[in-house]
Amino acid sequence: NAGVTQTPKFQVLKTGQSMTLQCAQDMNHEYMSWYRQDPGMGLRLIHYSVGAGITDQGEVPNGYNVSRSTTEDFPLRLLSAAPSQTSVYFCASRRKPGARNSPLHFGNGTRLTVT
Amino acid sequence: GENVEQHPSTLSVQEGDSAVIKCTYSDSASNYFPWYKQELGKRPQLIIDIRSNVGEKKDQRIAVTLNKTAKHFSLHITETQPEDSAVYFCAASMIYSGGGADGLTFGKGTHLIIQP
Repeated sequence: NAGVTQTPKFQVLKTGQSMTLQCAQDMNHEYMSWYRQDPGMGLRLIHYSVGAGITDQGEVPNGYNVSRSTTEDFPLRLLSAAPSQTSVYFCASRRKPGARNSPLHFGNGTRLTVT
Repeated sequence: GENVEQHPSTLSVQEGDSAVIKCTYSDSASNYFPWYKQELGKRPQLIIDIRSNVGEKKDQRIAVTLNKTAKHFSLHITETQPEDSAVYFCAASMIYSGGGADGLTFGKGTHLIIQP
């Protein structure tokens, strides 16, 4: 049971490039989400999904796309990278909201630098 | 949407003393309040959580209290140890029994420093 797996761990992009951050979980969690963490800003929700085929926007969705074609995977796409997207990105998952003891499990993070 | 304020941003305490971190939330519909600990360079990890149907929860040296009327919740760490040094985040969300949910809204974090 690997939990939440994120790849890559580090990435450097040039402005305007696109890329996909991968996230996979093997806990059969219905709920998955993406956060970005910036110094002094805490963790801010980008997008989330309550199940396969369902996604919704969080607090800071602009410049990012997501899809949820399977329960296990929830990739985050940067369409045209900008320096403001330099951040540490965390993917997280949990059991269906409302289920007892449904804490949020985080991946190890992806450190992205956009130059 | 929900807004979570967390204080202080930095807290330095002597080893063995207690530490208290406070959070307020804005949405009275929020009913789930977890606390996460993040060590340097690592992922946030849940240390304790509380739901709105209880006022206090304890787990060894850690306790969380909730005041729904005032929309305050606090983390209390007693007998602090060097390994308690980390950044702590509070969060709030609404959990729907039927399945839909909002994501967690996090506070900006408290850097807890345990002085030897």
